[in-house]
Amino acid sequence: TQLLEQSPQFLSIQEGENLTVYCNSSSVFSSLQWYRQEPGEGPVLLVTVVTGGEVKKLKRLTFQFGDARKDSSLHITAAQTGDTGLYLCAGSRIYNQGGKLIFGQGTELSVKP
Amino acid sequence: GAVVSQHPSRVICKSGTSVKIECRSLDFQATTMFWYRQFPKQSLMLMATSNEGSKATYEQGVEKDKFLINHASLTLSTLTVTSAHPEDSSFYICSARGWGLAGETQYFGPGTRLLVL
Repeated sequence: TQLLEQSPQFLSIQEGENLTVYCNSSSVFSSLQWYRQEPGEGPVLLVTVVTGGEVKKLKRLTFQFGDARKDSSLHITAAQTGDTGLYLCAGSRIYNQGGKLIFGQGTELSVKP
Repeated sequence: GAVVSQHPSRVICKSGTSVKIECRSLDFQATTMFWYRQFPKQSLMLMATSNEGSKATYEQGVEKDKFLINHASLTLSTLTVTSAHPEDSSFYICSARGWGLAGETQYFGPGTRLLVL
């Protein structure tokens, strides 16, 4: 059973388009993190959200944590070819199982020129 | 910012040999480190949680005798793949738990690509 459902798993768009990636769960998370990973490298942290309803912006990226802390979204405005990569959401459970992160399946984003 | 390093970045070995991968937290002390495995185009799969000075906690389905983890200090954890076989070929990533700007955060290493021939 996947505790954190991430969608879509694959996304191919043209440069300049907007996109949204979703992470959904039936469980409550104390915090949720978004990572971006390029081939052959480790994930790089983009943002951590901890408060229900929180919205954080990182240039063209907007991250939202659901009011109930069960879901999150990543919206990219005017995508660029440099945004290509694997995007991962990961959550920490409310009772902090030793700090373990639960990862979504990942979204492979390809932005074409 | 916090940095985690892994060594080696890439290793090719013959079937039956053992391979050791090091994970170091470079500018902070990490009481807990995590080891993940990742297949191409897939997400990270947690293999084990490593706590300094104690035995690692393995996830269900991960063979503890196959993947030996040692966390001897607050800045170093090692993963040894014993008697490696081609099916062990994968991308292995460690992470270290430390304090960042947004509170306690996991910082990931750059990964180690293992190819078993």
